[in-house]
Amino acid sequence: GEDVEQSLFLSVREGDSSVINCTYTDSSSTYLYWYKQEPGAGLQLLTYIFSNMDMKQDQRLTVLLNKKDKHLSLRIADTQTGDSAIYFCAESMSGFGNEKLTFGTGTRLTIIP
Amino acid sequence: GAVVSQHPSWVICKSGTSVKIECRSLDFQATTMFWYRQFPKQSLMLMATSNEGSKATYEQGVEKDKFLINHASLTLSTLTVTSAHPEDSSFYICSAPPRDRGKGEQFFGPGTRLTVL
Repeated sequence: GEDVEQSLFLSVREGDSSVINCTYTDSSSTYLYWYKQEPGAGLQLLTYIFSNMDMKQDQRLTVLLNKKDKHLSLRIADTQTGDSAIYFCAESMSGFGNEKLTFGTGTRLTIIP
Repeated sequence: GAVVSQHPSWVICKSGTSVKIECRSLDFQATTMFWYRQFPKQSLMLMATSNEGSKATYEQGVEKDKFLINHASLTLSTLTVTSAHPEDSSFYICSAPPRDRGKGEQFFGPGTRLTVL
């Protein structure tokens, strides 16, 4: 079955870059996503990458995909206090929105002033 | 942008009662909605897929008689936790992919925190 793993915690100084890592086991994953969850709230889609891409950049966010190693990372440049949250990676098969998402365990990002 | 709402945002109930949670897509139609459960400091676990006009599809280990799902229209799905017990206390989140979107985006509701006493 599908399995998505993340490290549980990451602490970063304000202004530094944050790199959140994710590994997955299902090689047939088509879309890979990064979601942000602030305390007591639902999930906000940050970005996604299609499996035939190896990099995607969107303002302060850079997603890197190593399909051979089934490794996905999210880099947040110039980390700010507002970036404090739990970050989930997720994968789906078709990406057409009607396929279920399998979520990673979530990484809690803490910003050190 | 697409908005998904949930009602109530939090509920406290006595053991043995039933609780209904609504998930609405406010500005788009969704033939499918997903219901997730999140325990404290844990990931989201998919409970079931709600299908408009047909029966919901439940994930392995989820009791369909315990968690009743009704997808009454293209903008509303409801989850009823029947005969709730303290172990049902959790954060319940729904999501909906817009019917006309192709890139796989799902929009999540803000969640409903259920506490069963």
